[in-house]
Amino acid sequence: QVTLKESGPGMLQPSKTLSLTCSFSGFSLSTSGMVVSWIRQPSGKSLEWLAAIDWDGDKYYNPSLKSRLTVSKDTSNTQVFLKITSVDTADTATYYCAQSGLAAIFAYWGQGTLVTVSS
Amino acid sequence: DIQMTQSPSSMSASLGDRVTITCQASQDIGNNLIWFQQKPGKSPRRMIYYATNLANGVPSRFSGSRSGSDYSLTIISLESEDMADYHCLQYKQYPLTFGSGTKLEIK
Repeated sequence: QVTLKESGPGMLQPSKTLSLTCSFSGFSLSTSGMVVSWIRQPSGKSLEWLAAIDWDGDKYYNPSLKSRLTVSKDTSNTQVFLKITSVDTADTATYYCAQSGLAAIFAYWGQGTLVTVSS
Repeated sequence: DIQMTQSPSSMSASLGDRVTITCQASQDIGNNLIWFQQKPGKSPRRMIYYATNLANGVPSRFSGSRSGSDYSLTIISLESEDMADYHCLQYKQYPLTFGSGTKLEIK
């Protein structure tokens, strides 16, 4: 079965770089059409799509955050990473990864990882 | 970017009521729209995909429809377990964009 799980630092200070990992199983990111997206949600607020990477290594970003985001994947195609530079308190949110390609588009999500930016 | 205008932002309805939530797309997205249900502390759950297709395991009281640039999620007979937040997402083009969400409460 398809599973995804996010991991992150839990808490970090303003101006630092946030590094997140999405570890998944049950599918391969090398499969044509497969995509993994990152989405975040501040507490009590709506969802915001951040970035995606596809099976071919093409990357897509939310323009409002593009200068601060970097999405990448590992060579085994079982992990996807997201880096956000120069974080501030507005980046405090639960961060999710989701399978966002092919017929199961957004059918599978991780449990989310809460990131708090605080000094 | 494609803007998704979702309404209402919140609503309260009685058990057994028919409930409709709407998203309006600022550009043509075809049928490339998903409806999610999200309960507190949980990840979003895909309910409807490609605007009108019921996802696996979703009760048949849920349905999706489209009229032009307006997309609707309808619950034909509200049950207590339907109390949740609902979100739409367009996946026609990047950047993907969500609606602002609807909080559905039971009277």
